[in-house]
Amino acid sequence: AQSVAQPEDQVNVAEGNPLTVKCTYSVSGNPYLFWYVQYPNRGLQFLLKYITGDNLVKGSYGFEAEFNKSQTSFHLKKPSALVSDSALYFCAVRDNTDKLIFGTGTRLQVFP
Amino acid sequence: DAEITQSPRHKITETGRQVTLACHQTWNHNNMFWYRQDLGHGLRLIHYSYGVQDTNKGEVSDGYSVSRSNTEDLPLTLESAASSQTSVYFCASSGSTDTQYFGPGTRLTVL
Repeated sequence: AQSVAQPEDQVNVAEGNPLTVKCTYSVSGNPYLFWYVQYPNRGLQFLLKYITGDNLVKGSYGFEAEFNKSQTSFHLKKPSALVSDSALYFCAVRDNTDKLIFGTGTRLQVFP
Repeated sequence: DAEITQSPRHKITETGRQVTLACHQTWNHNNMFWYRQDLGHGLRLIHYSYGVQDTNKGEVSDGYSVSRSNTEDLPLTLESAASSQTSVYFCASSGSTDTQYFGPGTRLTVL
């Protein structure tokens, strides 16, 4: 069965430092992977996705994600964190019936 | 600009009442989805539709129903609201690119 795991409930990072939010997946066949961000009292906003091609995917707001097939991971990264990046981040994988399966979310806290 | 809207944004109701949450999208997307978001569970799929007159059950469909009479709307009905259905509800839509676009959410409280 397809699944997504976000092993960290919360990630804390100082402003200006690099950040990583982890995601691992389990899927049969080629994975379609997504990252979404949720700001307080808002809906989810699409950040980026991996379908095929380059393992490093660039997205909105300076975020990028690295697809690693051997480690079944799709970690979200940003070279220099901003306080305004503080939000809830969700990783998702498309299952074999075109639905998205979401992880439980990771709260990113960027401290000034 | 195309968008997806939900109404109401906040709703308080009593146990046993029927409640309908509206979702309207102007993307002209065929696919529409309803999720609920609860602490510790992330987003869980309630119902989804791949086109007019098509509806399917998701992971947590008990106590909920949907109907799809046109492309733009997928209302979610709670037949007899229960306290366990207190949650934040999100509607989403997608076209041919798999990317789902989400509405702003409805916070439902069942007393």
